Amino acid sequence: KAGVTQTPRYLIKTRGQQVTLSCSPISGHRSVSWYQQTPGQGLQFLFEYFSETQRNKGNFPGRFSGRQFSNSRSEMNVSTLELGDSALYLCASSFDGSSYNEQFFGPGTRLTVL
Amino acid sequence: LAKTTQPISMDSYEGQEVNITCSHNNIATNDYITWYQQFPSQGPRFIIQGYKTKVTNEVASLFIPADRKSSTLSLPRVSLSDTAVYYCLVGDPNYGGSQGNLIFGKGTKLSVKP
Repeated sequence: KAGVTQTPRYLIKTRGQQVTLSCSPISGHRSVSWYQQTPGQGLQFLFEYFSETQRNKGNFPGRFSGRQFSNSRSEMNVSTLELGDSALYLCASSFDGSSYNEQFFGPGTRLTVL
Repeated sequence: LAKTTQPISMDSYEGQEVNITCSHNNIATNDYITWYQQFPSQGPRFIIQGYKTKVTNEVASLFIPADRKSSTLSLPRVSLSDTAVYYCLVGDPNYGGSQGNLIFGKGTKLSVKP
């Protein structure tokens, strides 16, 4: 079974631009979560989607948004990029989003904002 | 939400057994304890999960005392490839079916030396 895939793997943008990251979950998984990881703040939860609906959201500004498609693939968008948005963005999928079920993480997208 | 406290770092040598303890004083009745492992520039990977007493799988054991206010991840005979960050998480699997209640702390950076 193929794992979670994220594209692109690396991205360089400048301040003020916007970016869209993509995540394809494991086949059959309906829950997709997004995390931001930085050396200073560690791994922080952004939001979770289940059956095309956002079920939970972390403490991030509205510049961070996401969506999920009917095939469970998910995208996250960051508008008006700031230097502090430079991070590793990780997506994780699981069968139903329950914390009892294992989350499978993708390799991440390394975003650098100049 | 139950917060967790782990040592920031630990050192060990190849072939030794490593025990990483996590404190979760405010764990709720329905919360499960889950451990993840993360290598640099990769997404976290599920190691083990438990509710009480002892759980063992092919890579680790998880010891949970009766009061469940702490847990210990035990890695037998570590090798250099076990050098990674280990996260302890506590969450209610039935909390709205959402992963949003899983909080990754800073984790424990384990360094295995030859």
